[in-house]
Amino acid sequence: GENVEQHPSTLSVQEGDSAVIKCTYSDSASNYFPWYKQELGKRPQLIIDIRSNVGEKKDQRIAVTLNKTAKHFSLHITETQPEDSAVYFCAAPFEAAGNKLTFGGGTRVLVKP
Amino acid sequence: GAVVSQHPSWVICKSGTSVKIECRSLDFQATTMFWYRQFPKQSLMLMATSNEGSKATYEQGVEKDKFLINHASLTLSTLTVTSAHPEDSSFYICSAGRGGYTAFFGQGTRLTVV
Repeated sequence: GENVEQHPSTLSVQEGDSAVIKCTYSDSASNYFPWYKQELGKRPQLIIDIRSNVGEKKDQRIAVTLNKTAKHFSLHITETQPEDSAVYFCAAPFEAAGNKLTFGGGTRVLVKP
Repeated sequence: GAVVSQHPSWVICKSGTSVKIECRSLDFQATTMFWYRQFPKQSLMLMATSNEGSKATYEQGVEKDKFLINHASLTLSTLTVTSAHPEDSSFYICSAGRGGYTAFFGQGTRLTVV
């Protein structure tokens, strides 16, 4: 199975600054890497994902980069806003492919106004 | 995106009783659904894979006789926590995919065993 490590576990940034969260994975066959945002007591919401055939994907203020050789991928949030405060989880397929996921440990992001 | 609905959203039960949680895919059919457990301030841990028409497969360390899973139709999977104890108190959440890579999550169920 897959092993996913996520850092940092907590991240405090000033509003308007950027936030970066990094994850590493163990299975070189993994080909899909989603990022989820979870607010307290709610379900994880998919915010962006990337497949292994590309190195970067952007959606407005968020972007994900993937380095297959090093087996790591990162979430970048620019111009952070207070509503970005939440717990963010990276994930990778449990068995290389599909929507059965192994999650990273999570990063609690606090955006200070 | 696809809609996955989970019920109830919260439940309080007495120690020793059983609790059933439902997970429904509302606008698609799901031959496979997944059940996760999340303790406070921790990540989501996969418990089991629910397979329509066949037995669920459980991850290591998860007791299949305690966490009964039934996937009798293509739109419904149920998780029954049997003989619940306070240590079973957690956030249980299901997910399903619509054939592709993306996993859609239910709202989650907060179980409190007193």
